[in-house]
Amino acid sequence: EAQVTQNPRYLITVTGKKLTVTCSQNMNHEYMSWYRQDPGLGLRQIYYSMNVEVTDKGDVPEGYKVSRKEKRNFPLILESPSPNQTSLYFCASSSTRRFTDTQYFGPGTRLTVL
Amino acid sequence: AQTVTQSQPEMSVQEAETVTLSCTYDTSESDYYLFWYKQPPSRQMILVIRQEAYKQQNATENRFSVNFQKAAKSFSLKISDSQLGDAAMYFCAYRSISGATNKLIFGTGTLLAVQP
Repeated sequence: EAQVTQNPRYLITVTGKKLTVTCSQNMNHEYMSWYRQDPGLGLRQIYYSMNVEVTDKGDVPEGYKVSRKEKRNFPLILESPSPNQTSLYFCASSSTRRFTDTQYFGPGTRLTVL
Repeated sequence: AQTVTQSQPEMSVQEAETVTLSCTYDTSESDYYLFWYKQPPSRQMILVIRQEAYKQQNATENRFSVNFQKAAKSFSLKISDSQLGDAAMYFCAYRSISGATNKLIFGTGTLLAVQP
């Protein structure tokens, strides 16, 4: 089954404690992306990757890091989380070969930073 | 920069009735894609319908259809014969085809309630 998985689904942490949210896809997609969803703001792109070792900032990259060492994985790293990073996070992937390809979304990770 | 606006934060419809959700966008591009995504309480993002800007014909998927007005930069979603399972947050999204990324630009969402 084609899918994007994220872990953990829920996370409560404290300010300053480094954390990683994992994202993995099994569709051999080149493109992967992270979004955050906040009430009244919709979804906003944090970082994206066009392929292995190719990453770039989205619209709200401050406080986040990513890496793309393998095609299937695209972890999101918060090295020093702050309360304003409390949000719902989505990973997404798609092929870059055909622009009409659907973006597949993961199930979301609800992060609370105290 | 492109923007997407959903001016209806909340909508309500009676079961079996029809409802239209509004979306407007701003772009200087001539070719792009528009999407409607559904987000039920499970939080999963589900693609409802897609429209290519170069196509004049409005997209339709079963009970879901769009009214795409390119000149007016309007992209509304019509849900016919509403069902309880249609209750969800709906997001309108834009994607450029000229850029180097597959980035989606989302509106702020419309929360749809379906009354039995």
